[in-house]
Amino acid sequence: QTVVTQEPSFSVSPGGTVTLTCGLSSGSVSTSYYPSWYQQTPGQAPRTLIYSANIRSSGVPDRFSGSILGNKAALTITGAQADDESDYYCVLCLGGGIWVFGGGTKLTVL
Amino acid sequence: EVQLVESGGGLVQPGGSLRLSCVASGFAFSSFAMAWVRQAPGKGLEWVSSFSGSGGSTYYADSVKGRFTISRDNSQNTLHLQMNSLRAEDTAVYYCAAVAGTHSDYFDLWGRGTLVTVSS
Repeated sequence: QTVVTQEPSFSVSPGGTVTLTCGLSSGSVSTSYYPSWYQQTPGQAPRTLIYSANIRSSGVPDRFSGSILGNKAALTITGAQADDESDYYCVLCLGGGIWVFGGGTKLTVL
Repeated sequence: EVQLVESGGGLVQPGGSLRLSCVASGFAFSSFAMAWVRQAPGKGLEWVSSFSGSGGSTYYADSVKGRFTISRDNSQNTLHLQMNSLRAEDTAVYYCAAVAGTHSDYFDLWGRGTLVTVSS
């Protein structure tokens, strides 16, 4: 069974930089998994931020960036703002129309 | 306007059935793979099922395999999820999502979701 791991929580100061990661319980995350990232605030539908590891979705501010760092996918927020306080989910595509979500990271901006 | 609108959620008893629908507008629905993603109260997102844009292939998470059936009607721009033998753990907001990417690898457009509550 494929388990995708994320930090349960993270905090960042306004204007600061934070990197959230997305790993595999067994193995490494590579571009072959087409990692994507989603932002969700309470009561709202998810919003697509990043796909194919590092491509920003339309309308997403450039303070959000994606990458592969070592054996994990990463989402970096540079110059964090108060309204970046959200839950962030990564998803890995296993191919054949199958995906696995990470457990999500609750980001606090304070 | 490009959007997805889900409907069909509600309260159902354990063992019961429910059929969710998702109507797409503003884009070439038949060209896109589609998926259902759910979120239990206070929990994270979980991929449930997907339907390819061509070829008619369907895929299911192990947690719903054999109980849920995904289908689509391209003439009506509609995606369905037939849910049978419902359990308390199926209680969640169910989101419809359009799949995009060179390899149909990410969720590009999301609906607002419809709440399914399984309880006696």
